[in-house]
Amino acid sequence: NAGVTQTPKFQVLKTGQSMTLQCAQDMNHNSMYWYRQDPGMGLRLIYYSASEGTTDKGEVPNGYNVSRLNKREFSLRLESAAPSQTSVYFCASSDYEQYFGPGTRLTVT
Amino acid sequence: KQEVTQIPAALSVPEGENLVLNCSFTDSAIYNLQWFRQDPGKGLTSLLLIQSSQREQTSGRLNASLDKSSGRSTLYIAASQPGDSATYLCAVPPNDYKLSFGAGTTVTVRA
Repeated sequence: NAGVTQTPKFQVLKTGQSMTLQCAQDMNHNSMYWYRQDPGMGLRLIYYSASEGTTDKGEVPNGYNVSRLNKREFSLRLESAAPSQTSVYFCASSDYEQYFGPGTRLTVT
Repeated sequence: KQEVTQIPAALSVPEGENLVLNCSFTDSAIYNLQWFRQDPGKGLTSLLLIQSSQREQTSGRLNASLDKSSGRSTLYIAASQPGDSATYLCAVPPNDYKLSFGAGTTVTVRA
C-alpha cells in the first residue's frame, strides 16, 4: 500500500517550457487535490477533483490545468512555466481524512 | 473565507516538556479539523482528525481538542522528544473538499 505517490521528485524547467506532474493513489479515494507550498504563503489549493470525471478550480488555478485520468490518477500540467511557479507541489487524496504525497520540487529559471 | 491562524509561529522546549499548539479559525461551520506534521523537505503526515461532533481525539502522546463555538483547537504533545521536532499544521474544510491551512508552528525539542 504505497498511499499517494508523485513523480518526479525534482524538476528544473526553463521559462516557457511545459511539463506534467503525475499523482496516483491506491486508497480508492474519491477526491484528489493539488496544492502548492511557498515560504510565507503556506499551502494553497490549485485544483481539486471531488470524484472521477470532475475537476474544479481552487485558490490559485491560473497557469495550470489538470486531468483526472481515472479514479487513481490526477495530473497537473504547466503549459508555459513561469518563475512564479517555482514551488513545492503536493498531491493529496481523501474520502474524509486527507493524505499527502511526498511532493515535487519545481524550479523555473 | 475561512481564515486559520496558528500561534505561536515557533516554539523551542527542552526534552520532556509538554507541548501546547494552538489553532484558531474564523468560520465555525466546519466538517472536521485535521492536524498534520511536516518534516523539513517532506510531505505532510496526518496526525489526528477531529470530527465536528467530537470535542477531542487522542493518539498515543497526542491529544487534540476542538471547540467549534469559539473557533479553536489545541494540540497537546506529552513528554516531548527530539523526534517531535517538526512543523505542525492545522487545517479545516469549510466544505467537503477544500482545506484551509494555518501557516504552522515550527517546534524544536532540545535534547
